[in-house]
Amino acid sequence: DQQVKQNSPSLSVQEGRISILNCDYTNSMFDYFLWYKKYPAEGPTFLISISSIKDKNEDGRFTVFLNKSAKHLSLHIVPSQPGDSAVYFCAAKRNTGTASKLTFGTGTRLQVTL
Amino acid sequence: NAGVTQTPKFQVLKTGQSMTLQCAQDMNHEYMSWYRQDPGMGLRLIHYSVGAGITDQGEVPNGYNVSRSTTEDFPLRLLSAAPSQTSVYFCASKDAGAGSYEQYFGPGTRLTVT
Repeated sequence: DQQVKQNSPSLSVQEGRISILNCDYTNSMFDYFLWYKKYPAEGPTFLISISSIKDKNEDGRFTVFLNKSAKHLSLHIVPSQPGDSAVYFCAAKRNTGTASKLTFGTGTRLQVTL
Repeated sequence: NAGVTQTPKFQVLKTGQSMTLQCAQDMNHEYMSWYRQDPGMGLRLIHYSVGAGITDQGEVPNGYNVSRSTTEDFPLRLLSAAPSQTSVYFCASKDAGAGSYEQYFGPGTRLTVT
């Protein structure tokens, strides 16, 4: 049962345009969401996050939007740059007993073309 | 700071062999975890630890053992490798403080079991 879904395995965007990566979740117990970026042969690196009590968080070119009623979040990258080409993972946190755990989506490969 | 380090980077095992994947962090993080990444599956939590001497199972713990004797180290042991354990393994750590949800990942170990 995939509780965090990224339905687009890949996305291609021209440099300078907006990239929109989407993520859907099913578990209403998730209370915090994170986006990670991963380059080949490297570990994921944290990009941006949002608490479930907010609907938007912005950090430079990156903005995450959360629609709790739709159980949907999206990452906007404006303007897109070639260095943004990577796999993006959406992750959701829930508290379980002694620790909080992250559940990851399957990732979306973003290619930013010149 | 080296952050999170993992050794080896690559490993090939025969079915039935055992081995230990090493993970160390120098950020004094209480929380450490192991994930595996498989195509189309995202990152799945294997085991985690909230501090020295405390470990717990994640989503896919079967076939793996962990221990946490120090804050810095969190090795993952495969007792009898199986082809289904062919994967990329990531170790991660994070501060245990309230409101701290960002995990820092190591570069990964690519394991092939033949």
